[in-house]
Amino acid sequence: EAQVTQNPRYLITVTGKKLTVTCSQNMNHEYMSWYRQDPGLGLRQIYYSMNVEVTDKGDVPEGYKVSRKEKRNFPLILESPSPNQTSLYFCASSTDRAYEQYFGPGTRLTVT
Amino acid sequence: GNSVTQMEGPVTLSEEAFLTINCTYTATGYPSLFWYVQYPGEGLQLLLKATKADDKGSNKGFEATYRKETTSFHLEKGSVQVSDSAVYFCALSETGANNLFFGTGTRLTVIP
Repeated sequence: EAQVTQNPRYLITVTGKKLTVTCSQNMNHEYMSWYRQDPGLGLRQIYYSMNVEVTDKGDVPEGYKVSRKEKRNFPLILESPSPNQTSLYFCASSTDRAYEQYFGPGTRLTVT
Repeated sequence: GNSVTQMEGPVTLSEEAFLTINCTYTATGYPSLFWYVQYPGEGLQLLLKATKADDKGSNKGFEATYRKETTSFHLEKGSVQVSDSAVYFCALSETGANNLFFGTGTRLTVIP
């Protein structure tokens, strides 16, 4: 089954404790992206990757890092999480940039 | 710049009622337009799309027409069902762009 998976689905952590949210897709997509969803703001792009070892900032990259060492995986790293990073995070992939993206189920992060 | 303005919700309708969710956009070029749907606890799924002016996207009884003259892409369905209860997002992507620009989402609840 074609899908994008994210782990964990739910995470509660404390300020400053490094964390990683994993994302994996089995569709051989070149393009992957991370979004955060906040009430009243819709989805905003954090980072994207056009292919292995090619990543770039989206609209709200501050406080986040990503890596793309393999085509299928695109982890999101929060080196020192802060409460304003409490949000619902989605990973997405597609064959061609922004067109018709496939989304993972989401990771709800709470930073206290 | 690019932006999407969506009708604010929440919207509550009775089963078999007619649905319209308004969406207007601002873009510098000739964008592709999308409607995504998010069912409770899930990631976003592409509902329909239109890539040029006057195109009509349709899926699962939903329709939207790309109107360049009014910069709109309103979502319609003639007879909603309880299973249509979800959050609906309008989005655009410019040719060659690296992300989707999302509206804030409209929550639809259909009651029996």
